[in-house]
Amino acid sequence: EAGVVQSPRYKIIEKKQPVAFWCNPISGHNTLYWYRQNLGQGPELLIRYENEEAVDDSQLPKDRFSAERLKGVDSTLKIQPAELGDSAVYLCASSGAGGYTFGSGTRLTVV
Amino acid sequence: GENVEQHPSTLSVQEGDSAVIKCTYSDSASNYFPWYKQELGKRPQLIIDIRSNVGEKKDQRIAVTLNKTAKHFSLHITETQPEDSAVYFCAAHLGAGRRALTFGSGTRLQVQP
Repeated sequence: EAGVVQSPRYKIIEKKQPVAFWCNPISGHNTLYWYRQNLGQGPELLIRYENEEAVDDSQLPKDRFSAERLKGVDSTLKIQPAELGDSAVYLCASSGAGGYTFGSGTRLTVV
Repeated sequence: GENVEQHPSTLSVQEGDSAVIKCTYSDSASNYFPWYKQELGKRPQLIIDIRSNVGEKKDQRIAVTLNKTAKHFSLHITETQPEDSAVYFCAAHLGAGRRALTFGSGTRLQVQP
């Protein structure tokens, strides 16, 4: 089993530029999460999907962040435009009967 | 608001000693409490979890205890080893209908050889 796969692993962009992250969850996991982890802190939920439906996006800054999970499998998270404060690790996780599994994350640096 | 508080933020122990990390949660409806270990630059890895119908769970050198009345749970690591050095996060399912985890702020454990 490949686990939760995320790409890219690292991304450096200039402020005001757009950026996108991709996540492929564990096969059969209907629930997918995007978390943001700032340096020295615990992960914070951005959005949760049940299949293709976003059921909890109350913490997603909707003015600049968007996400989609077409067909209820892969998901993308986009930031446009990026700000300096968006620098963080963006973690994707999926859950099923066996519990949560996190991906390796994308480390975003906005300069 | 709903949150999980974790203490201490840093913990240094000598190899072979025990380490205890404590968390409190706000929502009495929470029913699932996992602990994650995160090494530098790596993903959080589940090390142990407990559900609200159980008071204690043990797996080799690690154990978790849950006090539902007081709304706190603790991670116990015995016979610590240098490879236990990492950041540990507690988490809980908070809020009615929410299946997402709310994480504590983390404890950086350093095991001195």
